[in-house]
Amino acid sequence: KQEVTQIPAALSVPEGENLVLNCSFTDSAIYNLQWFRQDPGKGLTSLLLIQSSQREQTSGRLNASLDKSSGRSTLYIAASQPGDSATYLCAVRSGNTGKLIFGQGTTLQV
Amino acid sequence: SQTIHQWPATLVQPVGSPLSLECTVEGTSNPNLYWYRQAAGRGLQLLFYSVGIGQISSEVPQNLSASRPQDRQFILSSKKLLLSDSGFYLCAWSYGTGMYEQYFGPGTRLTVT
Repeated sequence: KQEVTQIPAALSVPEGENLVLNCSFTDSAIYNLQWFRQDPGKGLTSLLLIQSSQREQTSGRLNASLDKSSGRSTLYIAASQPGDSATYLCAVRSGNTGKLIFGQGTTLQV
Repeated sequence: SQTIHQWPATLVQPVGSPLSLECTVEGTSNPNLYWYRQAAGRGLQLLFYSVGIGQISSEVPQNLSASRPQDRQFILSSKKLLLSDSGFYLCAWSYGTGMYEQYFGPGTRLTVT
């Protein structure tokens, strides 16, 4: 059974700092991994999608990496800003149904 | 561009009352559609998914049901709500299964009293 873990649950950093959010999963047989952002009381905004054959994806100040063999992904945020404050969720797709398995999220305060 | 809508945005319902939440997608055809629930302390969990009109798969046995009467419309229902049905309900869509990205709607906050 696939399980996704995100550590830490909460993180507070000063503006301008570079930071890394961690995501680990127990079963390396995944189709892809997706990082989302969720603001309080809002839906999820997709940030980055990494296919199982890829090692990393970049969008602006965000860079996500994937190491399938070790069951890990990281989301790197460069030069953090107060507007980056939100909960960040990672999710993996293991089966062919489209089902995403989510971590509990990391709440970031800048 | 594609847009996903959900309504209502918030809902307060008594125990035992019926429920109907609606999700519609614009700007694409034959999307895969998904219902997720985000409950306090339990994270996001897939409830139902659909690959076409009238085709519904359930992930978790529960008090809820789903229907897809039109290509871009997905409805979540219940005949009698339980307190445990409270949560934040999110609809999502993708072009297909496997490698495709999922896009989420704004959500419906349901409180069962």
